[in-house]
Amino acid sequence: GQQVMQIPQYQHVQEGEDFTTYCNSSTTLSNIQWYKQRPGGHPVFLIQLVKSGEVKKQKRLTFQFGEAKKNSSLHITATQTTDVGTYFCAGPESGGYQKVTFGTGTKLQVIP
Amino acid sequence: NAGVTQTPKFQVLKTGQSMTLQCAQDMNHEYMSWYRQDPGMGLRLIHYSVGAGITDQGEVPNGYNVSRSTTEDFPLRLLSAAPSQTSVYFCASSYSTGNTEAFFGQGTRLTVV
Repeated sequence: GQQVMQIPQYQHVQEGEDFTTYCNSSTTLSNIQWYKQRPGGHPVFLIQLVKSGEVKKQKRLTFQFGEAKKNSSLHITATQTTDVGTYFCAGPESGGYQKVTFGTGTKLQVIP
Repeated sequence: NAGVTQTPKFQVLKTGQSMTLQCAQDMNHEYMSWYRQDPGMGLRLIHYSVGAGITDQGEVPNGYNVSRSTTEDFPLRLLSAAPSQTSVYFCASSYSTGNTEAFFGQGTRLTVV
């Protein structure tokens, strides 16, 4: 079945440093969604990318969807303590919109 | 607007006991799903439903049953709890299929002893 891996699994950064997490799917995705889960909380939707090569920005966050629609990345510029949490990518296989597979997640710790 | 409501928030079961995790949404979403979250493994899909009366298996369905008699409710049943089912369970809903934003409930932390 479809597998979605994220690297790194954990990342510690000093406040103000940049952070990037990478998402790789074993199959082509219809779209890619990104979620953030704060410690003790539930996943919250951040953004969805649909087109091959698409890039979207939300303030300090930049999201990219690969040309082959099998990988994606989330980059945070100048991290803040409010960025702490686990970031997940997720997406359905191309042609099928029913089963949404989540990535393994990247846990971000920001040291003040 | 309550969104997605899960009950209970915490539960301890003995091995072999059965129970139902409740999930209800008030957004008239067609698509609902159940995930379990274990350390280092992300969120794994257990079962999902694309509408009332329609359910299907996800990645890890063994030991779990679901039904979808109404649009609003999507309960998850553990038939005979096992320690391997100790996990945090999340219910999610979205407007239609996996192509749209998912809204998650607060989660149920289940411990099987």
